[in-house]
Amino acid sequence: QKEVEQNSGPLSVPEGAIASLNCTYSDRGSQSFFWYRQYSGKSPELIMSIYSNGDKEDGRFTAQLNKASQYVSLLIRDSQPSDSATYLCAVKISGGYNKLIFGAGTRLAVHP
Amino acid sequence: DGGITQSPKYLFRKEGQNVTLSCEQNLNHDAMYWYRQDPGQGLRLIYYSQIVNDFQKGDIAEGYSVSREKKESFPLTVTSAQKNPTAFYLCASSGTGGAGPRENEQFFGPGTRLTVL
Repeated sequence: QKEVEQNSGPLSVPEGAIASLNCTYSDRGSQSFFWYRQYSGKSPELIMSIYSNGDKEDGRFTAQLNKASQYVSLLIRDSQPSDSATYLCAVKISGGYNKLIFGAGTRLAVHP
Repeated sequence: DGGITQSPKYLFRKEGQNVTLSCEQNLNHDAMYWYRQDPGQGLRLIYYSQIVNDFQKGDIAEGYSVSREKKESFPLTVTSAQKNPTAFYLCASSGTGGAGPRENEQFFGPGTRLTVL
């Protein structure tokens, strides 16, 4: 059973702080990793994709990937109340078609 | 504007009734997917289709059926055999990975919230 694990939270951070969201996965052959943001009652929105070990930065977001440790994280710098949402980690399983396994998500709350 | 549309936004089903959820995309994507989301849980794959006239069962296909007669459209029918259909249903699309890793990126429609009365 291939799995993706996330801490459900809530993760509470003050406005302006760095929020750190973590995800571990079980499929050692996975090569593609995604972070989605989901506001309450809405559909997931893709915010970051990462395919190589190391860091990938896009504005206030940084995705970090460590395939040896089977660990992917998302850092949000200068957190804003508008970042309050559930963040879903998704991993493309190795082999076959484009199947993603989703974690249950981490709820982030940014307070003023 | 390119995107994915789903209708209706809200749907109410009576016991024993079949209902069909619509999904249309104009992103020229080959692959389309249906997911189900229950409160506090991750997305679970119901069905997927990599090409017109072909589709495969996902992890929780029992009680559901699909068709893929056009590249743009991938409707989902929730049959009376699905005993617990109340959930948030999400349709997604992507390329098929042949042109590079970004083709794996899946984009979601706004969803349909189904409630059993």
